Amino acid sequence: AQSVTQPDIHITVSEGASLELRCNYSYGATPYLFWYVQSPGQGLQLLLKYFSGDTLVQGIKGFEAEFKRSQSSFNLRKPSVHWSDAAEYFCAVGAAHAGGTSYGKLTFGQGTILTVHP
Amino acid sequence: DAGVTQSPTHLIKTRGQQVTLRCSPKSGHDTVSWYQQALGQGPQFIFQYYEEEERQRGNFPDRFSGHQFPNYSSELNVNALLLGDSALYLCASSFRTPQETQYFGPGTRLLVL
Repeated sequence: AQSVTQPDIHITVSEGASLELRCNYSYGATPYLFWYVQSPGQGLQLLLKYFSGDTLVQGIKGFEAEFKRSQSSFNLRKPSVHWSDAAEYFCAVGAAHAGGTSYGKLTFGQGTILTVHP
Repeated sequence: DAGVTQSPTHLIKTRGQQVTLRCSPKSGHDTVSWYQQALGQGPQFIFQYYEEEERQRGNFPDRFSGHQFPNYSSELNVNALLLGDSALYLCASSFRTPQETQYFGPGTRLLVL
């Protein structure tokens, strides 16, 4: 079974500071990995995704994430946080279709709430 | 190009009632997935529809059922509502490829009293 752990429930950073949100996954094969962001009362917006290839993935709004197979991690980073980045961030893992019995299903972590101080 | 749309945005029901939520996928998408997000939690997969059939199901009771129409839109039905069904219900659409990316709608907030 696939699972995702986001160890940090709440992170506070100052505007302009760098950010790293942690994500660890459990999956038997090569995973598909995603980061989504959710503003209060809203749906989820896709920030970036990893399917294969280059392990450093660039996303929207200046975010990037690095896939580290040896550590089963897919941490999200941003070099300089803006006040508008305050939101809840979710890491998710999906399965490849070929040979996967759980394809289509995304498994999400508990989320990390980001607060940005001016 | 419209994204994923859901209706209604908010809904209040009482225990034991039935509810139907609706979702229209993003243009060009043929697959719809439904998720339940309880307060303070990550979304939990309910089921996915493709070619008008339930393709995959998560750990939800049979009270949760769905349907997909020929135009790819979808409905989520919940019978015999419980207080614990209060949540944000998210619909996601995608195009069925080996590298499937799901795009989410704004959700329907359901409150069961």
